[in-house]
Amino acid sequence: NAGVTQTPKFRILKIGQSMTLQCAQDMNHNYMYWYRQDPGMGLKLIYYSVGAGITDKGEVPNGYNVSRSTTEDFPLRLELAAPSQTSVYFCATRGVGRDEQFFGPGTRLTVL
Amino acid sequence: GDSVTQMEGPVTLSEEAFLTINCTYTATGYPSLFWYVQYPGEGLQLLLKATKADDKGSNKGFEATYRKETTSFHLEKGSVQVSDSAVYFCALSAITGANSKLTFGKGITLSVRP
Repeated sequence: NAGVTQTPKFRILKIGQSMTLQCAQDMNHNYMYWYRQDPGMGLKLIYYSVGAGITDKGEVPNGYNVSRSTTEDFPLRLELAAPSQTSVYFCATRGVGRDEQFFGPGTRLTVL
Repeated sequence: GDSVTQMEGPVTLSEEAFLTINCTYTATGYPSLFWYVQYPGEGLQLLLKATKADDKGSNKGFEATYRKETTSFHLEKGSVQVSDSAVYFCALSAITGANSKLTFGKGITLSVRP
């Protein structure tokens, strides 16, 4: 089992460009999350999903969009990249009846 | 709202030293409490957890006890190793069910020198 996978590992964008960060899981978990990690700030929740077709905003959703068409995949879309979106992005999953989350290896994004 | 406060870092220790990393929380109800560890270049991994007052979570020589009276969940290890060098996050989950979410502290970097 691969667990939670994220692609790409690294990416540099120019201001105004768009991109999609991919997250896939083979754990059959219903719940999926996107976080951003900024130095000294811990992790902030961007969006989450409780199942295919259902998504909701987290603490810092502005500038991002998500979709959840399957249980396995939860892509995060940046439409107009800004320097403030330079961060490390983590995807996580959680199983029904469990309270711990399982994290992917992260995507380091730089917007110049 | 819910919040987690961790002691300021970074922390540098010599190998075999005793480790304490403080964590206090504010939450409604009775949250579950977690310590996650992030090794360089990797994602977060669950280190240990506790789900009710006076529970002790333990893993890899690390321990933390859920103290409701002091709203704390301090992480301890009796003898650290160089391989323990990482960033440690305290977190809580105050809601059960589908809308359960984690609230993280800012994290603290631990460096252990030989």
